[in-house]
Amino acid sequence: DQQVKQNSPSLSVQEGRISILNCDYTNSMFDYFLWYKKYPAEGPTFLISISSIKDKNEDGRFTVFLNKSAKHLSLHIVPSQPGDSAVYFCAVLRDDKIIFGKGTRLHILP
Amino acid sequence: DTGVSQDPRHKITKRGQNVTFRCDPISEHNRLYWYRQTLGQGPEFLTYFQNEAQLEKSRLLSDRFSAERPKGSFSTLEIQRTEQGDSAMYLCASDPGGSGNTIYFGEGSWLTVV
Repeated sequence: DQQVKQNSPSLSVQEGRISILNCDYTNSMFDYFLWYKKYPAEGPTFLISISSIKDKNEDGRFTVFLNKSAKHLSLHIVPSQPGDSAVYFCAVLRDDKIIFGKGTRLHILP
Repeated sequence: DTGVSQDPRHKITKRGQNVTFRCDPISEHNRLYWYRQTLGQGPEFLTYFQNEAQLEKSRLLSDRFSAERPKGSFSTLEIQRTEQGDSAMYLCASDPGGSGNTIYFGEGSWLTVV
């Protein structure tokens, strides 16, 4: 039973354009959401988070949007840069542990 | 380097052998987590400790797996009688007890069972 779903295994975006990564979750009781970024042969690193009391959180080029009624969140990266090529995991914090989606591999094209 | 340290980084073992991974968390982080990641999947929770107490174990953690954190500092994850399905990256993470954005992951230990 997947509680966090990332339905796009991969995404290719031109450098300088906007990257939009999507995520759906199943439990309306979840109240804290996170995005992690992972390069090959490294552990995931925290990118940005959002609490359920907000619908948007911004940090530099990264913005996370939360639509509670749709149980959907998205990560926007603008402008996309070559170093953004990585796997991005959507996650929720539940009972003191992080539950991850399967990830979306983002390729930034030159 | 003051991050989460894992050892060994890579391990190739024959089916049926035992393996042990070690994790050194960030100093004074009370919580320590173990996750497993297989190809095409996100990290899956295995277990976590608050100091030396093991607070939760996932049903993924069969009886061939055991984790310890004897003095509330480093932790070990042992897999007995390894099977090919155990091949994965084993990730350790530590946390001072915050809200998720303070969890730091190590670089992982790759296990290949042949």
